[in-house]
Amino acid sequence: GAVVSQHPSWVICKSGTSVKIECRSLDFQATTMFWYRQFPKQSLMLMATSNEGSKATYEQGVEKDKFLINHASLTLSTLTVTSAHPEDSSFYICSAVSGFDSYNEQFFGPGTRLTVL
Amino acid sequence: DAKTTQPNSMESNEEEPVHLPCNHSTISGTDYIHWYRQLPSQGPEYVIHGLTSNVNNRMASLAIAEDRKSSTLILHRATLRDAAVYYCIPQGAQKLVFGQGTRLTINP
Repeated sequence: GAVVSQHPSWVICKSGTSVKIECRSLDFQATTMFWYRQFPKQSLMLMATSNEGSKATYEQGVEKDKFLINHASLTLSTLTVTSAHPEDSSFYICSAVSGFDSYNEQFFGPGTRLTVL
Repeated sequence: DAKTTQPNSMESNEEEPVHLPCNHSTISGTDYIHWYRQLPSQGPEYVIHGLTSNVNNRMASLAIAEDRKSSTLILHRATLRDAAVYYCIPQGAQKLVFGQGTRLTINP
């Protein structure tokens, strides 16, 4: 099956620093990648949709200047949390899909746990 | 996005069938019904999807009501590895909107 990786799997940083999270589709080309955030005991919340070579589409309430998304190739998308604060501590998950049909299966990464001190 | 209603939690015994219900009364005619599950501390994984007809795959079966306002995910013989949060997601576009899901506990 298709595999999506994320790096790092966990990161601890100081308040005010920036953190970059990578999402890679290892064995397929992803036409679209998605970024989610999940707080403890809550469901996943979609943050943004990312297509290769174009600007990401952010969901309402997600600050695009704080969560920078770059989708430079069909196999790599990055999420940078800028000037991170403790309230940004969360589980960040990416997913990737190949094709543009609504029934296409999404393949999820294992997640990155961010802790901001 | 169609709203979904799922039980917060369900419990079953190992090697018994499990029926996970989902109501999606506001589903549109072109929305597929997707089911994903999330094991603890992992990203979600695809389980099954369907449009109108019942569907089977190696993981589960999906029974879709004739009016499409509800569906049921069926795990034929639950194992301890099936303990997870199961999400029912009617979807008309590529993006997935996750509800609260059903937390399934499997007893040995």
